[in-house]
Amino acid sequence: EVQLVESGGDLVEPGGSLRLSCAASGFTFSSYSMYWVRQAPGKGLGWVSSISSSSSYIFYADSAKGRFTISRDNAKNSLYLQMNSLRAEDTAVYYCARKAYGNYNMDVWGKGTTVTVSS
Amino acid sequence: QFALTQPASVSGSPGQSITISCTGTSSDVGAYNYVSWYQQHPGKAPKVMIYDVSNRPSGVSDRFSGSKSANTASLTISGLQAEDEADYYCGSYTSSSTWVFGGGTKLTVL
Repeated sequence: EVQLVESGGDLVEPGGSLRLSCAASGFTFSSYSMYWVRQAPGKGLGWVSSISSSSSYIFYADSAKGRFTISRDNAKNSLYLQMNSLRAEDTAVYYCARKAYGNYNMDVWGKGTTVTVSS
Repeated sequence: QFALTQPASVSGSPGQSITISCTGTSSDVGAYNYVSWYQQHPGKAPKVMIYDVSNRPSGVSDRFSGSKSANTASLTISGLQAEDEADYYCGSYTSSSTWVFGGGTKLTVL
């Protein structure tokens, strides 16, 4: 079964750091580009970052630039999001998602991990 | 603030058809045929219903269809069923190699 499982979400104070992980299984992880997408409480979806299969291409939303770092370890079938200088507005459920092979959509999603930034 | 504009809510009775619009710019919706639609039930992860403007993934009902004209994409659901009640989001790949989503539309089946 194709599956993505996020972890690492927690309650953190403003200015703090957190590292999210996404464990992939059931498919050849190294062949797929991956995304992080977040959803603030009661709000819509917001794209955070993208990384290509070999990590050659990385893109960030303006809200993440300079603070967040996406990375992957294909040997461990894992995707990561290092989040620094966290703000209250970063509070959200963070989903990892797979880019469909051969076209542009997010065809597999994890269940999400919750990040709460509050003092 | 979301880059793509969707109506906040739509509603319809069982058996009816509804259409949700998604308006962007020539840098996103109008740039490529890379618009996708996602269904999200409360507390659940999003699920892709339409990709590349009008294609349905395997397992998605043919009651769901998509189209695009210039900078506006649309999702149509025909033969509304109670299980279709959910939030729907459009998403588009952009000319900057980024992604943008709409603010979401809450579908109520009356």
